[in-house]
Amino acid sequence: KAGVTQTPRYLIKTRGQQVTLSCSPISGHRSVSWYQQTPGQGLQFLFEYFSETQRNKGNFPGRFSGRQFSNSRSEMNVSTLELGDSALYLCASSLGVGNNEQFFGPGTRLTVL
Amino acid sequence: AQSVAQPEDQVNVAEGNPLTVKCTYSVSGNPYLFWYVQYPNRGLQFLLKYITGDNLVKGSYGFEAEFNKSQTSFHLKKPSALVSDSALYFCAVRDRGGATNKLIFGTGTLLAVQP
Repeated sequence: KAGVTQTPRYLIKTRGQQVTLSCSPISGHRSVSWYQQTPGQGLQFLFEYFSETQRNKGNFPGRFSGRQFSNSRSEMNVSTLELGDSALYLCASSLGVGNNEQFFGPGTRLTVL
Repeated sequence: AQSVAQPEDQVNVAEGNPLTVKCTYSVSGNPYLFWYVQYPNRGLQFLLKYITGDNLVKGSYGFEAEFNKSQTSFHLKKPSALVSDSALYFCAVRDRGGATNKLIFGTGTLLAVQP
């Protein structure tokens, strides 16, 4: 069974641009979560989706948004990029919501110049 | 608020020696605890979890963790370290407040195993 895939793997943008990252969960998984990883702040929760509904949102500005499609694939969008948005963005999928372990993708490395 | 702490930024151990990576938690109610490992330029890989039951949890790659309620700890252990175990290890607690998969991570501990 294929794992969680994230595209693109690497991205370079300039300040003020917007970016869309994609995540395809493991087949059959309906829950997708997004995390931002930076050297300074560590791993921080962005949002969580289940059956196309956002169930939880982290403490990030409104420039960060996401959605989930009927096939459980998810996208996150960051508008008006800032230098501080440079990070590894990780997507995790899970069968459902609760005590299931989450399986992480390899991440998208975003660099904002 | 739920939180976990990893007091050591780095742990050094010789190959073949036992290793311990420390984690303490602060939660309201029963904790749901996890350990993940991250290799360079990779995502996180699940190692093990504690939900309820036996305090000694066995996981992937020979790792185990001991849940200690009185000390609010969930230390990761392995009897004999391998050079290939060198990686960044994260302890995490599942957030409370309804059904959620949200994980709150510790700051990570870099494990370096010397040959």
